[in-house]
Amino acid sequence: GENVEQHPSTLSVQEGDSAVIKCTYSDSASNYFPWYKQELGKRPQLIIDIRSNVGEKKDQRIAVTLNKTAKHFSLHITETQPEDSAVYFCAGMEYGNKLVFGAGTILRVKS
Amino acid sequence: NAGVTQTPKFQVLKTGQSMTLQCAQDMNHNSMYWYRQDPGMGLRLIYYSASEGTTDKGEVPNGYNVSRLNKREFSLRLESAAPSQTSVYFCASTGQGGTGETQYFGPGTRLLVL
Repeated sequence: GENVEQHPSTLSVQEGDSAVIKCTYSDSASNYFPWYKQELGKRPQLIIDIRSNVGEKKDQRIAVTLNKTAKHFSLHITETQPEDSAVYFCAGMEYGNKLVFGAGTILRVKS
Repeated sequence: NAGVTQTPKFQVLKTGQSMTLQCAQDMNHNSMYWYRQDPGMGLRLIYYSASEGTTDKGEVPNGYNVSRLNKREFSLRLESAAPSQTSVYFCASTGQGGTGETQYFGPGTRLLVL
């Protein structure tokens, strides 16, 4: 089955700087990679996703890139703000439309 | 639309007690999922139901059972709770079953087993 590894486990940035979180996956058949944001005590919420026929996708300050050959994908947040502080999870989709999540990255944006 | 709802929000059990976590969605979704979330381990799939009438094991099914009661409701049962089952439990659902559809999560149930 799919295995997803996520790095780093914690990330501290200064407000206004960029943040990058990286994930690798094992199943070359995976074709859907969502990113979820989870604020303290809240439920995970989808912030962006990418399918394997696309190399990059942007939504305002958030972008995701996918390298199918290397089997890794990354989340990029530009011009970080304090409200970006949260736990971010990447995921890959394995057979049966099941998501396999990375262990999460705690992002702290210091003002 | 309430989306995905879960009850209870918080529960304390003693070792060996049983309980059922309830989940319902009002988005006419086919697929529903139960995850547990532990510190440093992300979200791990316990059981899922691809459609009404079907259920399958996920990554960590031991100690749990599920029932897909109808299209809206998917319950998770702990027959004999153990301290290792202390966790936050999330229910999720997704649309028509096509690849890459957004999973919507419920607010979670925090379970403490003493």
